Amino acid sequence: SYELTQPSSVSVSPGQTARITCSGDVLAVKSARWFQQKPGQAPVLMIYKDNERPSGIPDRFSGSSSGTTVTLTISGAQVEDEADFYCYSATDNNRGVFGGGTKLTVL
Amino acid sequence: QVQVVESGGGVVQPGRSLRLSCAASGFTFSHYGMHWVRQAPGKGLEWVAFIEFDGGNKYYVESVKGRFTISRDNSKNTLYLQMNSLRGEDTAVYYCARDQLDYWGQGTLVTVSS
Repeated sequence: SYELTQPSSVSVSPGQTARITCSGDVLAVKSARWFQQKPGQAPVLMIYKDNERPSGIPDRFSGSSSGTTVTLTISGAQVEDEADFYCYSATDNNRGVFGGGTKLTVL
Repeated sequence: QVQVVESGGGVVQPGRSLRLSCAASGFTFSHYGMHWVRQAPGKGLEWVAFIEFDGGNKYYVESVKGRFTISRDNSKNTLYLQMNSLRGEDTAVYYCARDQLDYWGQGTLVTVSS
């Protein structure tokens, strides 16, 4: 089966750098996307193709990849960045899989 | 602007059926594959199904295979999810999203309960 593993929570102070990891064998061959979801809202695409940022996403959000792990980095995290973050990858049998999600706390 | 709007959610008894719709606008619907993604209350996101731009190929998460059917009507710019033999564990907000998961609707809540 295809699984993506994320830490359940990450906590930083405002202005610090937050890093959220996502690990899974499929990431060695497939790229990842990252989504931010705030309470009561739909997910928002933050990063695609491991490290590309859609237009309108602040440049403090960045992505990187190494082997079977991808990382979302928030440089200078702000209080408004507090949210749940999910990684996602397509699989080699044309399905999709999300990580379990990471709750980012900024305080 | 690109918009997708889900509808059709509601409360349904276990074993019954429900059909969700997703109306698309602001882009050439027939050029894009589409996903359904769900989120159970208080839980994470779960990918459910994908259909190619022309409806030629369809893919499902194992837990809904044989019960759910994804389809589309490109003449109506609409995506569907036919859900049969519903179970309590299908209770979730169901989102539709464009193929790159770059545009999502606000979701429609399906509650399976007696």
